Amino acid sequence: DAKTTQPTSMDCAEGRAANLPCNHSTISGNEYVYWYRQIHSQGPQYIIHGLKNNETNEMASLIITEDRKSSTLILPHATLRDTAVYYCIAQYNTDKLIFGTGTRLQVFP
Amino acid sequence: ETGVTQTPRHLVMGMTNKKSLKCEQHLGHNAMYWYKQSAKKPLELMFVYSLEERVENNSVPSRFSPECPNSSHLFLHLHTLQPEDSALYLCASSPLTEATNEKLFFGSGTQLSVL
Repeated sequence: DAKTTQPTSMDCAEGRAANLPCNHSTISGNEYVYWYRQIHSQGPQYIIHGLKNNETNEMASLIITEDRKSSTLILPHATLRDTAVYYCIAQYNTDKLIFGTGTRLQVFP
Repeated sequence: ETGVTQTPRHLVMGMTNKKSLKCEQHLGHNAMYWYKQSAKKPLELMFVYSLEERVENNSVPSRFSPECPNSSHLFLHLHTLQPEDSALYLCASSPLTEATNEKLFFGSGTQLSVL
């Protein structure tokens, strides 16, 4: 499983795009990039995942660089309810998903 | 609502007590997990069950005893716990398919305090 590096914390104004970076420079060719988030005192929630191509769903967009060494999760219009810890994980197999310390995103009014 | 329900939501127990945490899912998933999250620490994977068989036990002390009677239910039996076992205990489930990139669905957790 590739090691990931994320900023400890970030702020974002409500209504603006939140761009959360993740570095996974040792990622191997078959490892996916997953994003989960955890709102205070709740279980983590799946957001999105991708392998090579950029992905978009109703929650967010995932931009993966061509060399796959980094990625960015984009919340296009952040709301106060998006305040949470965001985890970036690079793994092949999700049957033993390993979480790091994540990025604490604070959305302010 | 994720489809994974954990009870109780909060639990306070003494070090000599025996208690059990319960997790239930009706998503048709065949893999279930216990994670532990201590204050200001990352989630730690404790146990993994696949088709009701334990396939992972991450060096968890024997005072934690998991049980998976069927694919919809998972228990974590607790006895003679220590104060440092106080944490948020999270259950998750996922489909068991040939794909390696299945999503995990988490419950809201049980916040355990050991006095």
